[in-house]
Amino acid sequence: EAGVTQFPSHSVIEKGQTVTLRCDPISGHDNLYWYRRVMGKEIKFLLHFVKESKQDESGMPNNRFLAERTGGTYSTLKVQPAELEDSGVYFCASSQGMVAKNIQYFGAGTRLSVL
Amino acid sequence: RKEVEQDPGPFNVPEGATVAFNCTYSNSASQSFFWYRQDCRKEPKLLMSVYSSGNEDGRFTAQLNRASQYISLLIRDSKLSDSATYLCVVNQPGNTGKLIFGQGTTLQVKP
Repeated sequence: EAGVTQFPSHSVIEKGQTVTLRCDPISGHDNLYWYRRVMGKEIKFLLHFVKESKQDESGMPNNRFLAERTGGTYSTLKVQPAELEDSGVYFCASSQGMVAKNIQYFGAGTRLSVL
Repeated sequence: RKEVEQDPGPFNVPEGATVAFNCTYSNSASQSFFWYRQDCRKEPKLLMSVYSSGNEDGRFTAQLNRASQYISLLIRDSKLSDSATYLCVVNQPGNTGKLIFGQGTTLQVKP
């Protein structure tokens, strides 16, 4: 069974540019999450989709970040325009079943460097 | 105060040693607890869920102390392959899938 896949694995962009990250969850998982780890800090929650609906976007830093999950399958996270502080590793995770007790499976992450 | 706190280490131990990691969490209403393992530049992978009664999986034992809001992970007979970062993770209370991570504890097992 394929795990959570993320693309690209690494992106280097200049400040002010736009970047779009993609996540393909495990097939059949309705829950999809985005997390981020900036250097020296812990992994932090960004948002949670249930199918195509945003269940919780309390962790999104600001309106430069836009997440979508059209059709309830893969998700994209767009950063526009990117700032230096957006650099970090962006993880996607997916799960099925009851969210409070679910096991989340993570992708390998996209390492974003904003110069 | 961080919601989940861990000693970042690093813990440097010889093969065969027993090592214990501790973690504290701030929200007493938390219900679900996990240890994840993360190898360098890889994805976090679930190592164990942590239950109130404590649970064991081979060389790994996890304990939960709700009164002290404290979680532990014990690794016996350390192997070189155990070298990794161990993440203490707590689910936000309520009907939410939001996971709250500690900063991670780095373990280096040496021959």
